[in-house]
Amino acid sequence: GQQLNQSPQSMFIQEGEDVSMNCTSSSIFNTWLWYKQEPGEGPVLLIALYKAGELTSNGRLTAQFGITRKDSFLNISASIPSDVGIYFCAGHPPPPNDYKLSFGAGTTVTVRA
Amino acid sequence: EAQVTQNPRYLITVTGKKLTVTCSQNMNHEYMSWYRQDPGLGLRQIYYSMNVEVTDKGDVPEGYKVSRKEKRNFPLILESPSPNQTSLYFCASSFFSGGREQYFGPGTRLTVT
Repeated sequence: GQQLNQSPQSMFIQEGEDVSMNCTSSSIFNTWLWYKQEPGEGPVLLIALYKAGELTSNGRLTAQFGITRKDSFLNISASIPSDVGIYFCAGHPPPPNDYKLSFGAGTTVTVRA
Repeated sequence: EAQVTQNPRYLITVTGKKLTVTCSQNMNHEYMSWYRQDPGLGLRQIYYSMNVEVTDKGDVPEGYKVSRKEKRNFPLILESPSPNQTSLYFCASSFFSGGREQYFGPGTRLTVT
């Protein structure tokens, strides 16, 4: 299947910091999605992006659909302790495979002591 | 409450003993899908279904079967489980058209000894 390269693999945050993570692919996607997973739970959708160049916010979260359609980033501003978790990017390729969904390996966000 | 439910949440079984993990959604979604999550690999799609009686393979279908006899249910069947199928499994659903944001169940942790 499609490979999504997500980076960084992990990061430590301090309360109040802005953090950023990104996802790249060798092939184009029609939709980019960002999910957050907390321990013992399924992934929860944070932001969905449908057009190249689109910039969308959800509270302190902002994500962009890269103009090449091969990348996306997620920013978290003014992080708080409850931002810890695993963040995944995901994407739907163009037809005829648009019913498939590929995921990145995830970025684990931890609070720095 | 709109949700995706999975049962069981935890299962320990032995090699070769057939098992079924159930998935049900109450959102009238046409599309349903199964994923497995393994450390460092993110989520990988096993099978998906675009509607009743319409299913197709994802990226890692070997050793799994699915059926979609009703719109709300999409069970995952392991006819002869093996230890390499020890994993965390998620079911998800979405509408067929539009954004297709997938909503995930809480997960089933399967251990095959």
